[in-house]
Amino acid sequence: NAGVTQTPKFRILKIGQSMTLQCTQDMNHNYMYWYRQDPGMGLKLIYYSVGAGITDKGEVPNGYNVSRSTTEDFPLRLELAAPSQTSVYFCASRTAEETQYFGPGTRLLVL
Amino acid sequence: AQTVTQSQPEMSVQEAETVTLSCTYDTSESDYYLFWYKQPPSRQMILVIRQEAYKQQNATENRFSVNFQKAAKSFSLKISDSQLGDAAMYFCAYRGSSGSARQLTFGSGTQLTVLP
Repeated sequence: NAGVTQTPKFRILKIGQSMTLQCTQDMNHNYMYWYRQDPGMGLKLIYYSVGAGITDKGEVPNGYNVSRSTTEDFPLRLELAAPSQTSVYFCASRTAEETQYFGPGTRLLVL
Repeated sequence: AQTVTQSQPEMSVQEAETVTLSCTYDTSESDYYLFWYKQPPSRQMILVIRQEAYKQQNATENRFSVNFQKAAKSFSLKISDSQLGDAAMYFCAYRGSSGSARQLTFGSGTQLTVLP
């Protein structure tokens, strides 16, 4: 039972490049989330999913897209990277008892 | 919208001593959950403790306990017998009962230093 895993751990992008942040959970959780954490701040919700095939926007969705084709996977897509997207990205999934468990994070630097 | 406030950006405690981290929140809901997460330098978000608002009894997890004051909308974390491994950023988080997302709303964090 690996919990929530994320890849890559760290990535440098040039402005305008695209990439996909991968997130996988093996706990059969229906709810999954993507957050971003800017320096010295708490986490803010980008997108979430309540189950396979169902996604919705969170607080800061601009510049991102998601898909949820399976219960296990919830990738986050950046289409045209901008310096404002430099952040640490966390994926999380939730138990029925409402506790969210987080992945180790992906640090993204856009130059 | 719900807000979570952590008024102490930094705290320090001597090893083996006790420290209390403060958190207040603003909500109009009566049913919700509160959490404390720990974020060490590795950046991993680790659940420390959670509290259901309908429970009057304060949650405890080994050396960690909370003081939940629902009327005052206060949710402080007490760490007893502090250890060097407790040094981390601590985030208070709120999860309400309305909306489909059920996402967490985080405070800005308190950086805890443990002095040997």
